[in-house]
Amino acid sequence: DIQMTQSPSSLSASVGDRVTITCRASQSISRSLNWYQQKPGKAPKLLIYAASSLPSGVPSRFSGTGSGTDFILTISSLQPEDFATYYCQESYRSHMYSFGQGTKLESK
Amino acid sequence: EVQLLESGGNLVQPGGSLRLSCATSGFTFSRYGLSWVRQAPGKGLEWVSTISGSGGSTYYADSVKGRFTISRDTSTNTLSLEMKSLRAEDTAVYSCAKENLVLVPTPTSVDQFYYMDVWGKGTTVTVSS
Repeated sequence: DIQMTQSPSSLSASVGDRVTITCRASQSISRSLNWYQQKPGKAPKLLIYAASSLPSGVPSRFSGTGSGTDFILTISSLQPEDFATYYCQESYRSHMYSFGQGTKLESK
Repeated sequence: EVQLLESGGNLVQPGGSLRLSCATSGFTFSRYGLSWVRQAPGKGLEWVSTISGSGGSTYYADSVKGRFTISRDTSTNTLSLEMKSLRAEDTAVYSCAKENLVLVPTPTSVDQFYYMDVWGKGTTVTVSS
């Protein structure tokens, strides 16, 4: 199985800050890495797919980089609506997935 | 608009069974894989199972293999999850998600990237005596 490890597990930041969240895979997964945002009581929302692609409607302040085992989600200028929990997800094995443990982004 | 609506969650005793459903609309049902993902109270997301668009291939997490069965009905555009031998650790909100695929040509092949682009809100399963 592929294990996904996110860091940090929690993060405090202020509106306007640049925020980075890291995700590391236990083996190389090429660019098969997705990022999701989840707010309390809500369904997860796709933010980034294939490591760096932005779905339509996702603000451009979100970006993703990386390949192989190390990946980064960056929020260039944190907005009030961005406080949420973020999950990475590997999709290297077709139709099978693993999630990171999540990173809770809170207001400082 | 793509919509996914789960139902069937309930309180069930350990060792019991339950069947979840996910009603879908707004897309060509047979073209996309569908997945179940669960979230235990206060915990993170855990992939449970995926079924291919044709229904011919199914995939399971080790934690549910042999106990859960995923299926899909093209006549009603519904995804199902049959859960047996339920355990306390199966307690969670179960959500269905639509799978999408992007193909990226390379000089020597085509790379495939899967992701879950639409999610339902979930249905709650509680396993307790």
